[in-house]
Amino acid sequence: GNSVTQMEGPVTLSEEAFLTINCTYTATGYPSLFWYVQYPGEGLQLLLKATKADDKGSNKGFEATYRKETTSFHLEKGSVQVSDSAVYFCALNRGSTLGRLYFGRGTQLTVWP
Amino acid sequence: SAVISQKPSRDICQRGTSLTIQCQVDSQVTMMFWYRQQPGQSLTLIATANQGSEATYESGFVIDKFPISRPNLTFSTLTVSNMSPEDSSIYLCSVEDLGNTQYFGPGTRLTVL
Repeated sequence: GNSVTQMEGPVTLSEEAFLTINCTYTATGYPSLFWYVQYPGEGLQLLLKATKADDKGSNKGFEATYRKETTSFHLEKGSVQVSDSAVYFCALNRGSTLGRLYFGRGTQLTVWP
Repeated sequence: SAVISQKPSRDICQRGTSLTIQCQVDSQVTMMFWYRQQPGQSLTLIATANQGSEATYESGFVIDKFPISRPNLTFSTLTVSNMSPEDSSIYLCSVEDLGNTQYFGPGTRLTVL
Protein backbone atom coordinates (compact mmCIF):
# COMPACT_ATOMS: atom_id res chain seq x y z
CA GLY A 1 0.00 0.00 0.00
CA ASN A 2 0.88 3.69 0.10
CA SER A 3 1.88 5.42 3.31
CA VAL A 4 4.07 8.13 4.76
CA THR A 5 5.88 7.93 8.08
CA GLN A 6 7.01 11.19 9.54
CA MET A 7 9.22 12.08 12.45
CA GLU A 8 7.32 12.55 15.68
CA GLY A 9 7.16 16.01 17.08
CA PRO A 10 7.15 18.49 18.51
CA VAL A 11 10.53 19.83 17.49
CA THR A 12 11.87 22.83 19.36
CA LEU A 13 14.93 24.72 18.10
CA SER A 14 16.71 27.96 18.70
CA GLU A 15 16.93 30.49 15.91
CA GLU A 16 19.71 29.74 13.38
CA ALA A 17 19.82 26.06 14.34
CA PHE A 18 19.91 23.30 11.72
CA LEU A 19 16.63 21.53 11.02
CA THR A 20 15.96 17.99 9.86
CA ILE A 21 12.50 16.45 9.76
CA ASN A 22 12.59 12.82 8.68
CA CYS A 23 10.10 11.37 6.23
CA THR A 24 10.01 7.87 4.77
CA TYR A 25 7.45 6.40 2.46
CA THR A 26 5.99 3.20 1.10
CA ALA A 27 4.48 3.35 -2.34
CA THR A 28 3.63 1.36 -5.40
CA GLY A 29 4.83 2.71 -8.70
CA TYR A 30 6.64 6.03 -8.96
CA PRO A 31 5.19 8.58 -6.59
CA SER A 32 5.78 12.31 -6.43
CA LEU A 33 6.78 13.60 -3.00
CA PHE A 34 5.81 16.84 -1.29
CA TRP A 35 6.32 18.92 1.80
CA TYR A 36 3.46 21.15 2.87
CA VAL A 37 3.54 23.74 5.65
CA GLN A 38 0.65 24.90 7.80
CA TYR A 39 1.17 28.14 9.70
CA PRO A 40 -0.99 28.76 12.77
CA GLY A 41 -4.63 29.32 11.82
CA GLU A 42 -4.02 28.85 8.11
CA GLY A 43 -4.49 26.23 5.41
CA LEU A 44 -1.76 24.15 3.79
CA GLN A 45 0.84 25.72 1.55
CA LEU A 46 3.05 23.78 -0.81
CA LEU A 47 6.64 24.18 0.38
CA LEU A 48 8.49 22.02 -2.14
CA LYS A 49 8.19 18.92 -4.27
CA ALA A 50 10.17 16.29 -6.17
CA THR A 51 8.78 14.11 -8.90
CA LYS A 52 11.48 11.52 -9.51
CA ALA A 53 14.42 9.83 -7.83
CA ASP A 54 17.41 12.07 -7.00
CA ASP A 55 15.40 15.24 -7.60
CA LYS A 56 15.98 17.96 -5.02
CA GLY A 57 13.10 20.26 -4.16
CA SER A 58 13.93 23.61 -2.60
CA ASN A 59 12.13 26.74 -1.46
CA LYS A 60 12.67 29.46 1.17
CA GLY A 61 15.92 27.84 2.30
CA PHE A 62 14.30 24.42 2.78
CA GLU A 63 15.53 21.41 0.80
CA ALA A 64 14.55 17.78 0.41
CA THR A 65 16.01 15.09 -1.86
CA TYR A 66 13.99 12.19 -3.25
CA ARG A 67 15.97 9.08 -2.25
CA LYS A 68 14.54 5.98 -3.86
CA GLU A 69 17.15 3.63 -2.37
CA THR A 70 16.20 4.63 1.18
CA THR A 71 12.57 5.59 0.34
CA SER A 72 13.10 8.90 2.09
CA PHE A 73 12.39 12.60 1.57
CA HIS A 74 13.87 14.34 4.61
CA LEU A 75 13.31 18.08 5.02
CA GLU A 76 16.31 20.23 5.92
CA LYS A 77 17.10 23.87 6.54
CA GLY A 78 20.48 25.21 7.49
CA SER A 79 19.34 28.09 9.69
CA VAL A 80 15.76 28.28 10.98
CA GLN A 81 13.94 31.47 11.86
CA VAL A 82 11.14 32.19 14.32
CA SER A 83 8.85 32.65 11.32
CA ASP A 84 9.41 29.00 10.35
CA SER A 85 7.35 27.88 13.35
CA ALA A 86 4.55 25.80 11.83
CA VAL A 87 3.37 22.25 11.23
CA TYR A 88 5.12 20.44 8.40
CA PHE A 89 3.48 17.61 6.46
CA CYS A 90 5.20 15.12 4.19
CA ALA A 91 2.97 13.66 1.48
CA LEU A 92 3.07 11.46 -1.58
CA ASN A 93 1.00 11.29 -4.72
CA ARG A 94 0.96 8.13 -6.74
CA GLY A 95 0.97 10.19 -9.89
CA SER A 96 -2.10 8.41 -11.18
CA THR A 97 -5.26 10.03 -12.44
CA LEU A 98 -6.87 9.36 -9.06
CA GLY A 99 -4.76 12.12 -7.60
CA ARG A 100 -4.98 11.10 -3.97
CA LEU A 101 -2.42 12.55 -1.54
CA TYR A 102 -1.20 10.40 1.33
CA PHE A 103 -0.10 12.51 4.29
CA GLY A 104 2.20 11.91 7.20
CA ARG A 105 1.01 12.85 10.68
CA GLY A 106 2.69 16.24 10.65
CA THR A 107 5.57 17.62 12.70
CA GLN A 108 5.12 20.69 14.86
CA LEU A 109 8.19 22.96 14.72
CA THR A 110 8.69 25.75 17.23
CA VAL A 111 11.65 28.10 16.85
CA TRP A 112 12.66 30.30 19.80
CA PRO A 113 14.53 33.57 19.37
CA SER B 1 -0.63 27.91 -9.02
CA ALA B 2 -4.39 28.20 -8.62
CA VAL B 3 -5.92 30.63 -6.15
CA ILE B 4 -8.54 28.94 -4.01
CA SER B 5 -11.07 30.56 -1.70
CA GLN B 6 -13.44 28.98 0.78
CA LYS B 7 -16.57 30.24 2.50
CA PRO B 8 -17.21 30.45 5.36
CA SER B 9 -13.75 30.71 6.91
CA ARG B 10 -15.17 29.53 10.22
CA ASP B 11 -18.51 28.76 11.83
CA ILE B 12 -20.01 27.60 15.07
CA CYS B 13 -23.06 25.39 14.62
CA GLN B 14 -25.56 23.53 16.75
CA ARG B 15 -25.73 19.75 16.66
CA GLY B 16 -28.32 18.36 14.26
CA THR B 17 -27.95 21.20 11.77
CA SER B 18 -26.15 21.23 8.41
CA LEU B 19 -23.49 23.51 6.97
CA THR B 20 -22.55 23.99 3.33
CA ILE B 21 -18.96 24.96 2.56
CA GLN B 22 -18.11 26.58 -0.74
CA CYS B 23 -14.86 26.28 -2.66
CA GLN B 24 -14.06 28.61 -5.55
CA VAL B 25 -11.03 28.35 -7.86
CA ASP B 26 -9.74 31.09 -10.14
CA SER B 27 -9.16 28.71 -13.06
CA GLN B 28 -10.83 25.66 -14.53
CA VAL B 29 -9.72 22.38 -12.96
CA THR B 30 -10.77 18.83 -13.55
CA MET B 31 -10.29 17.38 -10.10
CA MET B 32 -11.24 18.91 -6.78
CA PHE B 33 -10.78 17.23 -3.41
CA TRP B 34 -12.28 17.64 0.03
CA TYR B 35 -10.25 16.85 3.13
CA ARG B 36 -10.95 16.86 6.85
CA GLN B 37 -8.37 17.76 9.47
CA GLN B 38 -9.47 16.89 12.97
CA PRO B 39 -7.86 18.82 15.85
CA GLY B 40 -4.16 18.06 16.07
CA GLN B 41 -4.36 15.46 13.31
CA SER B 42 -3.25 15.04 9.75
CA LEU B 43 -5.50 15.35 6.71
CA THR B 44 -7.97 12.69 5.67
CA LEU B 45 -9.45 12.64 2.19
CA ILE B 46 -13.27 12.71 2.24
CA ALA B 47 -13.99 12.56 -1.48
CA THR B 48 -12.90 13.46 -4.96
CA ALA B 49 -15.25 15.64 -7.03
CA ASN B 50 -15.12 15.70 -10.80
CA GLN B 51 -17.38 17.94 -12.83
CA GLY B 52 -20.27 16.13 -14.42
CA SER B 53 -20.09 12.99 -12.33
CA GLU B 54 -20.87 11.90 -8.80
CA ALA B 55 -18.22 12.35 -6.18
CA THR B 56 -16.07 9.38 -5.20
CA TYR B 57 -16.03 8.86 -1.44
CA GLU B 58 -13.26 7.32 0.63
CA SER B 59 -13.87 4.50 3.04
CA GLY B 60 -15.66 5.77 6.13
CA PHE B 61 -17.37 8.68 4.39
CA VAL B 62 -20.86 8.51 2.84
CA ILE B 63 -22.85 10.74 0.57
CA ASP B 64 -25.76 11.12 2.99
CA LYS B 65 -23.45 12.67 5.58
CA PHE B 66 -21.20 14.65 3.20
CA PRO B 67 -23.09 15.45 -0.01
CA ILE B 68 -20.93 17.19 -2.59
CA SER B 69 -21.85 19.25 -5.62
CA ARG B 70 -19.62 20.12 -8.56
CA PRO B 71 -21.71 22.19 -10.95
CA ASN B 72 -18.80 23.52 -13.05
CA LEU B 73 -15.03 23.48 -13.40
CA THR B 74 -14.36 26.27 -10.89
CA PHE B 75 -16.73 25.57 -8.01
CA SER B 76 -17.71 22.87 -5.53
CA THR B 77 -19.62 22.60 -2.29
CA LEU B 78 -19.39 20.18 0.62
CA THR B 79 -22.28 19.86 3.05
CA VAL B 80 -21.77 18.48 6.53
CA SER B 81 -25.19 17.08 7.46
CA ASN B 82 -26.82 16.38 10.80
CA MET B 83 -23.74 17.59 12.61
CA SER B 84 -22.40 16.30 15.91
CA PRO B 85 -19.47 17.56 18.01
CA GLU B 86 -17.30 14.86 16.37
CA ASP B 87 -17.62 16.79 13.10
CA SER B 88 -15.67 19.70 14.58
CA SER B 89 -12.70 19.95 12.22
CA ILE B 90 -11.04 22.02 9.57
CA TYR B 91 -12.43 21.23 6.12
CA LEU B 92 -10.16 21.96 3.19
CA CYS B 93 -10.66 21.80 -0.53
CA SER B 94 -7.84 21.32 -2.95
CA VAL B 95 -7.26 21.21 -6.69
CA GLU B 96 -4.71 19.37 -8.74
CA ASP B 97 -2.73 20.89 -11.58
CA LEU B 98 -1.49 19.10 -14.67
CA GLY B 99 1.72 18.19 -12.86
CA ASN B 100 -0.16 16.20 -10.18
CA THR B 101 0.49 18.89 -7.56
CA GLN B 102 -2.34 19.78 -5.18
CA TYR B 103 -2.99 23.27 -3.91
CA PHE B 104 -5.19 23.93 -0.92
CA GLY B 105 -7.74 26.48 0.09
CA PRO B 106 -7.44 28.30 3.43
CA GLY B 107 -9.85 25.93 5.13
CA THR B 108 -13.15 26.22 6.98
CA ARG B 109 -12.94 25.88 10.75
CA LEU B 110 -16.09 24.24 12.02
CA THR B 111 -17.07 23.94 15.66
CA VAL B 112 -20.19 21.95 16.55
CA LEU B 113 -21.73 22.52 19.96
